[in-house]
Amino acid sequence: DSGVTQTPKHLITATGQRVTLRCSPRSGDLSVYWYQQSLDQGLQFLIQYYNGEERAKGNILERFSAQQFPDLHSELNLSSLELGDSALYFCASSVTYQETQYFGPGTRLLVL
Amino acid sequence: AQSVTQLDSHVSVSEGTPVLLRCNYSSSYSPSLFWYVQHPNKGLQLLLKYTSAATLVKGINGFEAEFKKSETSFHLTKPSAHMSDAAEYFCVVRVPGNTGKLIFGQGTTLQVKP
Repeated sequence: DSGVTQTPKHLITATGQRVTLRCSPRSGDLSVYWYQQSLDQGLQFLIQYYNGEERAKGNILERFSAQQFPDLHSELNLSSLELGDSALYFCASSVTYQETQYFGPGTRLLVL
Repeated sequence: AQSVTQLDSHVSVSEGTPVLLRCNYSSSYSPSLFWYVQHPNKGLQLLLKYTSAATLVKGINGFEAEFKKSETSFHLTKPSAHMSDAAEYFCVVRVPGNTGKLIFGQGTTLQVKP
């Protein structure tokens, strides 16, 4: 158990819908990262927050957004969902950007 | 730009025999390199990391990796495979700078036969 929690574990929804994925980092970690794992694209970095502020962006679609709250938990919002958004979404956390990232168990999203 | 290439998409070994998972990296700077493992339906677990200290890095569960700058390689080894080692393994490089962004290889699936 990494200490990073993600909810829900599984999510099934329809095209065009909007969903919110939630991540609680390890106690004391200020950085939160979101990654997407799909069969065709592999594991890709989406976005990073550090102590409530966006720090880096990767291959994140405009339909996706994220935020980190004062209690340091983070949410990833996915809207206007398409079939191709079906993937495993991981959250990771670390104390700072230089420290080891610890990954949560992931949220498996299926868009029908 | 930083990148990693895992040279084998699938490796099959017999239990008790050595494991070698190959990774080459490309980086303009002295890289920070990692190996993560993903068991079926599980999250990613850090096996080991290289951050410019000793070139031979020891990790958990008997895994090791050697950083070879001349060959731009960071291969993962284990002397004796166990059935529980069956999983997907990712070689990862961290992008330099103050972001912590990780770039993952495509992964190598390790099969361990009894």
